[in-house]
Amino acid sequence: AQSVTQLDSQVPVFEEAPVELRCNYSSSVSVYLFWYVQYPNQGLQLLLKYLSGSTLVKGINGFEAEFNKSQTSFHLRKPSVHISDTAEYFCAVSDVKGTYKYIFGTGTRLKVLA
Amino acid sequence: NAGVTQTPKFRVLKTGQSMTLLCAQDMNHEYMYWYRQDPGMGLRLIHYSVGEGTTAKGEVPDGYNVSRLKKQNFLLGLESAAPSQTSVYFCASSYSQGNTGELFFGEGSRLTVL
Repeated sequence: AQSVTQLDSQVPVFEEAPVELRCNYSSSVSVYLFWYVQYPNQGLQLLLKYLSGSTLVKGINGFEAEFNKSQTSFHLRKPSVHISDTAEYFCAVSDVKGTYKYIFGTGTRLKVLA
Repeated sequence: NAGVTQTPKFRVLKTGQSMTLLCAQDMNHEYMYWYRQDPGMGLRLIHYSVGEGTTAKGEVPDGYNVSRLKKQNFLLGLESAAPSQTSVYFCASSYSQGNTGELFFGEGSRLTVL
């Protein structure tokens, strides 16, 4: 079974500052990794995903994430945030054996301050 | 370009009442999912389907039933609603085998059980 841990429930950051949202996972098998964003009163939408290959993955809206197998982490970063990045961010995993289940973390609420 | 549509968007029930949430997708996706989102708990998988006529249990299936009679529709039923089922419900669909694909989410259905 897999699990996902997002230790930070809330992250306040000033506009134009860098941000890192942390995600750690646990799994006995190889996994695929995802980051989703949820704006207020909306569904989730994909930011980026890691399937294989380069461990640095670039996504939409200037976000990127790095897969670290030894530390079982997939932290999300952005070098300079905007007010419009205020949202909740979810890390998710699925196993490569194809059980069709995506497991989500508890989410990190990013609040960008002016 | 509807994507994933959930109805109704809001509903208030009394304890013991029954209801059905409808999810419809127009992307010809094989895989469909029902999640519930609760504060501090992220998204938890209720049931999922890997194709027309098939369903399977997720993490928190108790108190819910599902049906996938048509490929484009995935219904979530509550037979006897309980206050613990107060939540925001999200339907999602995916086109890809092996859990590599993006999940497309509906906008959510907010259910309150009194």
